[in-house]
Amino acid sequence: AQSVAQPEDQVNVAEGNPLTVKCTYSVSGNPYLFWYVQYPNRGLQFLLKYITGDNLVKGSYGFEAEFNKSQTSFHLKKPSALVSDSALYFCAVVMNTGFQKLVFGTGTRLLVSP
Amino acid sequence: GAVVSQHPSWVICKSGTSVKIECRSLDFQATTMFWYRQFPKQSLMLMATSNEGSKATYEQGVEKDKFLINHASLTLSTLTVTSAHPEDSSFYICSAIRQGARSDQPQHFGDGTRLSIL
Repeated sequence: AQSVAQPEDQVNVAEGNPLTVKCTYSVSGNPYLFWYVQYPNRGLQFLLKYITGDNLVKGSYGFEAEFNKSQTSFHLKKPSALVSDSALYFCAVVMNTGFQKLVFGTGTRLLVSP
Repeated sequence: GAVVSQHPSWVICKSGTSVKIECRSLDFQATTMFWYRQFPKQSLMLMATSNEGSKATYEQGVEKDKFLINHASLTLSTLTVTSAHPEDSSFYICSAIRQGARSDQPQHFGDGTRLSIL
């Protein structure tokens, strides 16, 4: 069964510092991996995805993620955090049903302090 | 493009009433929509997959008669919580997939509906 793990409930970082939000996955076959962000009382916004090709994927708002097949990880990164990046971040994988059902991680709350 | 509108954004009602939540794709056609439930400080739980013109597919443990889903057109899916009780209080989120999209394309999410049952 496909699954996604986000080992950190919360990540704290100071504004201007680099940030990393961790994600590991367990899937059969080649994974389609996604990162979404959720602001309070809002739905999810798509940040970026990995399908194939270059292991470093660039996305919205300056975020990027590195796909590491040997470590089965897909960590989200940003070189310089902003206070406005504070939100809930979800890693997700598409199930291999051809039907685009997403399996989400438990989410990581990012708090960027001024 | 790819805007999904969810309505209402917030509803409070008495126990025993039924509540309908709408999910509309505003600028694209969606053959498939998903309904999720999110508890405070928890992840999204997929409740059901809604397919235009056919019956919804419910996830294990989700009561079909409790959560009625209708997907009557390519731009609208509705979730009706029947005879709602306080334990149904939650944040409900829908998402839609553009018609013809590949499986590597992202889902587009509505802004959610916060349901509070008194």
